[in-house]
Amino acid sequence: KQEVTQIPAALSVPEGENLVLNCSFTDSAIYNLQWFRQDPGKGLTSLLLIQSSQREQTSGRLNASLDKSSGRSTLYIAASQPGDSATYLCAVRYNFNKFYFGSGTKLNVKP
Amino acid sequence: SAVISQKPSRDICQRGTSLTIQCQVDSQVTMMFWYRQQPGQSLTLIATANQGSEATYESGFVIDKFPISRPNLTFSTLTVSNMSPEDSSIYLCSVIMTGRNYEQYFGPGTRLTVT
Repeated sequence: KQEVTQIPAALSVPEGENLVLNCSFTDSAIYNLQWFRQDPGKGLTSLLLIQSSQREQTSGRLNASLDKSSGRSTLYIAASQPGDSATYLCAVRYNFNKFYFGSGTKLNVKP
Repeated sequence: SAVISQKPSRDICQRGTSLTIQCQVDSQVTMMFWYRQQPGQSLTLIATANQGSEATYESGFVIDKFPISRPNLTFSTLTVSNMSPEDSSIYLCSVIMTGRNYEQYFGPGTRLTVT
């Protein structure tokens, strides 16, 4: 059974700090992995998509890496800001329509 | 990217009634999905909405409880039938953009409270 785990469940950091969110998955035969942001009571906003053949993707202050062999992905946020406060979810795609979501990391960036 | 809208954005319903949620996409998409997010939980896939045929349901979800329609490539509905308080959740539709490396996009969600 495929499982996706995110650690930590919650994180509180002061503004300006660099931080790393972790996502691990049990089955390495993935098609792609996607990181999302969810604000309270809202839908999901796509941040970064990494294909199985890629090692990392970057968008602005965000960098996501993928290590299939170890079943891990990390989301690096540089110079965090209060506006980054949200829940961050990773989703792993295994085949045509099988997506597995982690339980998320709730991030609070303090001014 | 795809622009996805959902109606209603939220609703409070009585036990035993049904609610139909609409999902509209601004471009034609092949793959459309419905998810549920229970309070404090992550997302669970309910079904794949197939255009022109019956939806494909995940384990634990049945057509009688969650009937889905997909009349064309830009629109789908999910009905939550005979509701109970356990159905209180956020319901989200999503699409896969095959022209964007199969990136998944989500609608804003429908927050349902059943009393």
